[in-house]
This record gives sequence, C-alpha cells and structure tokens, in this order.
Amino acid sequence: TQLLEQSPQFLSIQEGENLTVYCNSSSVFSSLQWYRQEPGEGPVLLVTVVTGGEVKKLKRLTFQFGDARKDSSLHITAAQPGDTGLYLCAGPHMGGSNYKLTFGKGTLLTVNP
Amino acid sequence: EPEVTQTPSHQVTQMGQEVILRCVPISNHLYFYWYRQILGQKVEFLVSFYNNEISEKSEIFDDQFSVERPDGSNFTLKIRSTKLEDSAMYFCASRPRSDSYAFPLKNIQYFGAGTRLSVL
Repeated sequence: TQLLEQSPQFLSIQEGENLTVYCNSSSVFSSLQWYRQEPGEGPVLLVTVVTGGEVKKLKRLTFQFGDARKDSSLHITAAQPGDTGLYLCAGPHMGGSNYKLTFGKGTLLTVNP
Repeated sequence: EPEVTQTPSHQVTQMGQEVILRCVPISNHLYFYWYRQILGQKVEFLVSFYNNEISEKSEIFDDQFSVERPDGSNFTLKIRSTKLEDSAMYFCASRPRSDSYAFPLKNIQYFGAGTRLSVL
C-alpha cells in the first residue's frame, strides 16, 4: 500500500513569514501532485512534479520533488492570508492504468493578517 | 475553463434512504472517478469508471454503491441504503484519454467542488 504522510498537520503563521510543508512516502511515485482545498470546495491542482530533484515555482510557491521520487516539499515565501487552506499531496497508484490517486491527510495552513 | 460540476452541493437524507449524487465531467474526458472525504480524514478513492464499466473499486465501494453514466454526459454515484457513516464530502473527478496528452498531463485528475452528504 502506498501511503503519503504530510507534515505538519497544522500550521499557523503570521503574514509575511516563510514556511515549508512536507509530503513523504516509503514508496516511489511516478509523479506527485499538490492540491489546495478550501472549506466546502474540491481540491484544486497547483502543480505536478515528475522528475527526481525537480523544482517548480508558482509565484511565491516553490515545489520540490525528492531525488528518489519518494518525497516532496512545498515552500511558501512571504505568506499571505489568501494562502490559507488545506494543502494536499497526492500520487497516482503504481500499477494499472487507472491512475487512482492516493492522498495525504494534508497540512492545514492558517496565515494570520 | 472547463470544469467538473457536481450537484447538489449539499444533500441531507435519512438513514436507509437512497441518494444519487450527480457529476458532469469535462466533456472530452474519458476516465471518471469518485472519491470521498470524511470530515477530518484524507480523501479516499472509491471507484474508477472507463468505457462504461467500473475499472477499479476500493473496499469501501460495497454492494450499496453503484455508478452509472446514463446519458453520455452525467456520471452518477448511487448509495442504495445510506448509513450514518456514509456522511462525507463526495468528489467526482475526470481525466482525459491517455493518448491525448503526454505524461504527466494524462495523469491529472480534475475535481468537482463536491457534494456534502449528511445522513441523519
């Protein structure tokens, strides 16, 4: 069973601070996806990382995929209240062609003004 | 931008009643999924559907659950006799056909906003 562990589970910071959240697994993933979910909404895709060691930037968000493709991190620079939400990592299940996603439990980020 | 739409946004039902959750996937997508998220827990895979049949289902997806694509646009999840523990957010997702995009885009699933099911 492929599991994704996310840490920390909760994070509350002040506007302007930097933060990093982590997504770890003992299994190799062909790719990992990061989603943001707001209350009462579905997950919204932020980025997909594919290559080991890959770094992708989305404005103030920097995503990194581990060299062994077992872990990923999301770093936010100068966090803003609009960044508040549940950040989920997910990876397609290895084997088969259904690409069903395995999700982590998420990191609930609160950015206080 | 095309999106996956789900109705209703909130469904309240009595235990033992049947519910149908509806989804309209993105029009040129061929793979469809249902996931659920119990409050405070992770998003869990329920079922995948391709070529008018279930391609994979999880242990959660027992005989009380069924899926259907009745008219080529809607994708429905039916729960025959709801239980209290079925209360959750249910998300529909869709994915394009595998050969229409290079990896990894073909892996990307697009999610609807969800239906909150409350079983009383």
